[in-house]
Amino acid sequence: GQSLEQPSEVTAVEGAIVQINCTYQTSGFYGLSWYQQHDGGAPTFLSYNALDGLEETGRFSSFLSRSDSYGYLLLQELQMKDSASYFCAVNSGGYQKVTFGIGTKLQVIP
Amino acid sequence: NAGVTQTPKFQVLKTGQSMTLQCAQDMNHEYMSWYRQDPGMGLRLIHYSVGAGITDQGEVPNGYNVSRSTTEDFPLRLLSAAPSQTSVYFCASSPRQGGGYTFGSGTRLTVV
Repeated sequence: GQSLEQPSEVTAVEGAIVQINCTYQTSGFYGLSWYQQHDGGAPTFLSYNALDGLEETGRFSSFLSRSDSYGYLLLQELQMKDSASYFCAVNSGGYQKVTFGIGTKLQVIP
Repeated sequence: NAGVTQTPKFQVLKTGQSMTLQCAQDMNHEYMSWYRQDPGMGLRLIHYSVGAGITDQGEVPNGYNVSRSTTEDFPLRLLSAAPSQTSVYFCASSPRQGGGYTFGSGTRLTVV
């Protein structure tokens, strides 16, 4: 089966940088995804890493190390609207099957 | 484009009743999935499909059935509702070449 570990809660200051780590164990690893979910809303896709290295999309970056079964999401220039839950998710056996971690609740404070 | 449409948004069932949660997407996505979300447990995969006529089980398939007769529709059937199935259910779809899953707005189900 699959298992993912990420911190349950993180607090950071507006304007700062925060890193949310994710470690995983899975068979048939295909890639690592990140999703954002605001309270009461649906998850929205942020990024996907299939190869080692850093992917940057605006203020968000995501990193993957396949040899370490580890990835992280980096959020820069934090804004209050970034307060949300962030989920790492593994694609296994192909792109179609996605298993989520329990999520990290990020609170951005002034 | 409407994206992924789920109906109903809210539902209350009595134990033992059956019902179908509807999911439709208009993006011609090959992949579709059903998740349930419970407090402190993240999103758990129930069933998924890689195309019309092809479905497979996820992490928590017991008590749920799915079928995929068309690319657009992926209904989730609760056979005999139990209080343990009280949850928020999300349907999602993705193109085969990647780009992440697009989620519907969810169905909040309460079983009493």
